[in-house]
Amino acid sequence: AQSVTQLDSQVPVFEEAPVELRCNYSSSVSVYLFWYVQYPNQGLQLLLKYLSGSTLVKGINGFEAEFNKSQTSFHLRKPSVHISDTAEYFCAVSDRGNFNKFYFGSGTKLNVKP
Amino acid sequence: ETGVTQTPRHLVMGMTNKKSLKCEQHLGHNAMYWYKQSAKKPLELMFVYNFKEQTENNSVPSRFSPECPNSSHLFLHLHTLQPEDSALYLCASSQEGGRIQETQYFGPGTRLLVL
Repeated sequence: AQSVTQLDSQVPVFEEAPVELRCNYSSSVSVYLFWYVQYPNQGLQLLLKYLSGSTLVKGINGFEAEFNKSQTSFHLRKPSVHISDTAEYFCAVSDRGNFNKFYFGSGTKLNVKP
Repeated sequence: ETGVTQTPRHLVMGMTNKKSLKCEQHLGHNAMYWYKQSAKKPLELMFVYNFKEQTENNSVPSRFSPECPNSSHLFLHLHTLQPEDSALYLCASSQEGGRIQETQYFGPGTRLLVL
């Protein structure tokens, strides 16, 4: 089974600053990779996903992530954050051979300060 | 109404109670999922239904009993729960589970407290 590590449980950042949220996964087998965002009192919403092709994936709200196979990482970045980006962010991995299995990280709370 | 809805949004129950959580999706999807989100733990996949058939049971205790009467509705029947079952229960749907990975659409969740 996969394990997904989000190294930072909380990330405080000032508005308009860049941010990187880190995600590493355990297995070297072919995977699909996802980032989800959860706003307070809401369900998860997909930000972006990597299935194949270009290792740099662009998502909604100006976020992007880069798949690094050798480092088994899929870090999420945004060059300039807004107050509205305050939320919890989850990295998830799915083995290509088992579409129904999702493995989630424990989440990173992004707190954007004015 | 659009998207994925869940009712109730909040539920408090005793360990001897029987209750049910309901999920409804208005997206025309064929796959539905139950997840458990506990504090300080990764989101856990519990069950997957594909075209009303259960295709995944992730070693969930039998005190949780899912039901999928049609592709639009998913229930989670609860009985004799334990306090450690207190969590946010999230429902999700996708176009058709089992194909190249589709996007899952999540409901807002039911916050469950077991006393």
